[in-house]
Amino acid sequence: AQKITQTQPGMFVQEKEAVTLDCTYDTSDQSYGLFWYKQPSSGEMIFLIYQGSYDEQNATEGRYSLNFQKARKSANLVISASQLGDSAMYFCAMREGRILTGGGNKLTFGTGTQLKVEL
Amino acid sequence: EAGVVQSPRYKIIEKKQPVAFWCNPISGHNTLYWYLQNLGQGPELLIRYENEEAVDDSQLPKDRFSAERLKGVDSTLKIQPAELGDSAVYLCASSLDAGGSFNEQFFGPGTRLTVL
Repeated sequence: AQKITQTQPGMFVQEKEAVTLDCTYDTSDQSYGLFWYKQPSSGEMIFLIYQGSYDEQNATEGRYSLNFQKARKSANLVISASQLGDSAMYFCAMREGRILTGGGNKLTFGTGTQLKVEL
Repeated sequence: EAGVVQSPRYKIIEKKQPVAFWCNPISGHNTLYWYLQNLGQGPELLIRYENEEAVDDSQLPKDRFSAERLKGVDSTLKIQPAELGDSAVYLCASSLDAGGSFNEQFFGPGTRLTVL
């Protein structure tokens, strides 16, 4: 079974509008972390936001927020007030296990969503 | 602060030739990762180092791939011989792993390999 599922291969959004990128995950661990990365055409993966499985509040970083629904195993990324520079590939990723065990630093990525922001 | 540096950025070789990629992590980062990213896919971990020790190389095709991280700083990933299916982007990342943090991984720009 896929550990990270991103069902939207491509999304379009108008500039200044909000957009939600979907991510569902599958794990039997109680402790895990969820990440979103942005990959522009230049190729570099840029970290956007992190949500720990025990965090009670949804994570926010500027225009990015993570809609974490633990019971549904979903971790959707919300980008508010989209900008042209937001056009890129977006990846959801999961770290399973506790960081301190040493084996918990592996990230499993989804297949990504290509976001295009239009005027 | 300098980011993760990778070279070369692009490499074109013929099949059966050897190729090597180099990565310099962020200064002070003890953990280094090599990922493979096929077109239209997310990165997949090939190998993870904690200092100079490879602690997870279960996804590394050891018949043709090798990696080293001498002195726990720079790392080299080698393919010998390269096959057509090795055409992909090879990403290097590093993290501080200070414990108690979420250990953000910082990625380099990648090396795009084309095997003809």
